[in-house]
Amino acid sequence: EVQLVQSGADVKKPGQSLKISCKASGYSFTSNWIAWVRQMPGGGLEWMGMILPRDSDTRVSPSFEGQVTLSVDTSLTTAHLEWRSLKASDTATYFCARHSTRGELDYWGQGTRITVSS
Amino acid sequence: DIQMTQSPSSLSASVGDRVTITCRASQGVSNYLNWYQQRPGKAPKLLIYAAFTLHGGVPSRFSGGGSGASFTLTISSVQPEDSATYYCQQSHTPPHTFGQGTKVE
Repeated sequence: EVQLVQSGADVKKPGQSLKISCKASGYSFTSNWIAWVRQMPGGGLEWMGMILPRDSDTRVSPSFEGQVTLSVDTSLTTAHLEWRSLKASDTATYFCARHSTRGELDYWGQGTRITVSS
Repeated sequence: DIQMTQSPSSLSASVGDRVTITCRASQGVSNYLNWYQQRPGKAPKLLIYAAFTLHGGVPSRFSGGGSGASFTLTISSVQPEDSATYYCQQSHTPPHTFGQGTKVE
């Protein structure tokens, strides 16, 4: 069974760094792109970027370029999303999801809620 | 970026109604168009991919149509458990943008 299990909720102060994780199981981790999607409070879904675990090829939306870093640890079948300096506007729920054949996101993590507040 | 525009933004339906949501892309995306359902507090779920292919386990009352730049999601006989927000997404060209969502009540 394909599963994506994300790290737990976190509360941070502006300027702090953060790395959240997405542990994949039940399929060949290196074969499928992993995407990250942001959902701000009361808002819609925003595609942030995707990474191919096989070679760490990465595509990041211009809206998030330079703001976040996508990475993978293939030995742990885990994808990461990282911020070096958080802002209050980063407060949101972040989902990871597996890309399938036609780019559809067929399996999703449960979401990680991040709150950035002084 | 390809802009995705859904209409309506929200709708109210009665059990058994036929509901149609429209999604338009700012440029052609062939049939690289996906639909998701999100219930409050939950992760989105894939309903339809490649414009009209039902994802496994999705009830047959859901159907998708269209190609190019104009697409539809239809619920043939809406049920209480279909109360949710529905999103279209293009996966033709990164960034794989989503529509703004349609809330079905």
